[in-house]
Amino acid sequence: DVKVTQSSRYLVKRTGEKVFLECVQDMDHENMFWYRQDPGLGLRLIYFSYDVKMKEKGDIPEGYSVSREKKERFSLILESASTNQTSMYLCASSSLQGGVQETQYFGPGTRLLVL
Amino acid sequence: DAKTTQPNSMESNEEEPVHLPCNHSTISGTDYIHWYRQLPSQGPEYVIHGLTSNVNNRMASLAIAEDRKSSTLILHRATLRDAAVYYCILRVYNQGGKLIFGQGTELSVKP
Repeated sequence: DVKVTQSSRYLVKRTGEKVFLECVQDMDHENMFWYRQDPGLGLRLIYFSYDVKMKEKGDIPEGYSVSREKKERFSLILESASTNQTSMYLCASSSLQGGVQETQYFGPGTRLLVL
Repeated sequence: DAKTTQPNSMESNEEEPVHLPCNHSTISGTDYIHWYRQLPSQGPEYVIHGLTSNVNNRMASLAIAEDRKSSTLILHRATLRDAAVYYCILRVYNQGGKLIFGQGTELSVKP
């Protein structure tokens, strides 16, 4: 079974702190994604990566950055956390076949509270 | 972006079939229709996907209209563990297979 793990289920941080959310997948997938999920807004794509050291902006990249130094690991960074970044963060991975990504596998999510 | 429209919520009785509708009138010829579901306190999980023909797997069936402007996810016998938010999503081929999540349908299952 594909496993996508996220470093924390719950996280509490203060405004202005630098926050790292880590995601690891064990299926050698090329693609990795970071979403945030908010009530009434659904899942929104923050950043994604098709390969090591490669990143692409999603729909809401402002206030976030990412790092992909190894194929299995994709990190989401909040350079200076703000209260409007309080949310559920979901990581996902998928393989790439025929130039199109296949099924996405999601981690359990990290619920971040910024005070 | 290609969009989908689903009812906000639906209710079902345990062990009865459930038909979850989805409209996607702006679908293009190469967009796949995907369904994911999200159980409480978990990340979304893949359910099924299709392009033109109806599809079956161990979790569900997917019925796609002939004009592809709508589809229906069918759970043949709902169980309490099927209570979740079900997302109908178009996988947009010319955007590298990007998934665009809508609001989903919250399915509740009564014993």
